[in-house]
Amino acid sequence: TQLLEQSPQFLSIQEGENLTVYCNSSSVFSSLQWYRQEPGEGPVLLVTVVTGGEVKKLKRLTFQFGDARKDSSLHITAAQPGDTGLYLCAGGEGTYKYIFGTGTRLKVLA
Amino acid sequence: DSGVTQTPKHLITATGQRVTLRCSPRSGDLSVYWYQQSLDQGLQFLIQYYNGEERAKGNILERFSAQQFPDLHSELNLSSLELGDSALYFCASSVDGDPYNEQFFGPGTRLTVL
Repeated sequence: TQLLEQSPQFLSIQEGENLTVYCNSSSVFSSLQWYRQEPGEGPVLLVTVVTGGEVKKLKRLTFQFGDARKDSSLHITAAQPGDTGLYLCAGGEGTYKYIFGTGTRLKVLA
Repeated sequence: DSGVTQTPKHLITATGQRVTLRCSPRSGDLSVYWYQQSLDQGLQFLIQYYNGEERAKGNILERFSAQQFPDLHSELNLSSLELGDSALYFCASSVDGDPYNEQFFGPGTRLTVL
């Protein structure tokens, strides 16, 4: 079974700071997704990346899929309190299964 | 609001008991996924159904079972409950069985086993 490790596990930063969250595996994934989960709610999809080296931007969020499709990063520019939440990466394993990472809990202080 | 509904929102029960969690997918979605989320294990994929048939299985215990009905709603049955089964259980749906497509998550059912 493939594993996805995220780092850091916890991150507390001031509003306006930049941050990067990492998602790493020793195995290759066919695709990778990033989700954000807020307390009391289910995860919400932010982006899907499928091509090695792919970079996608969503407003202040930049997602990158590693060239070898084993890792990914999420960079947030000028973080805001509304960015607070649990960030999860999920990798496609085989045809129908998605494996979720361990999660990064982000808190942005005003 | 994702369009996925789950009932009940909270469930408190005792060890050894059996419970049923219910999920209604978004209108038009054919695939339903079940996940377990606990503090120490993260989000674990349990099982996927597509148009009434089991499509993929993850780390689902033998004490757990699920099914998807003709109207596409799904139920997750948990039996012989143990303290360690306490967790958030999420249902998600997608338009088809392709995991590349977006999964829409429900609000979850919080199960507490005492």
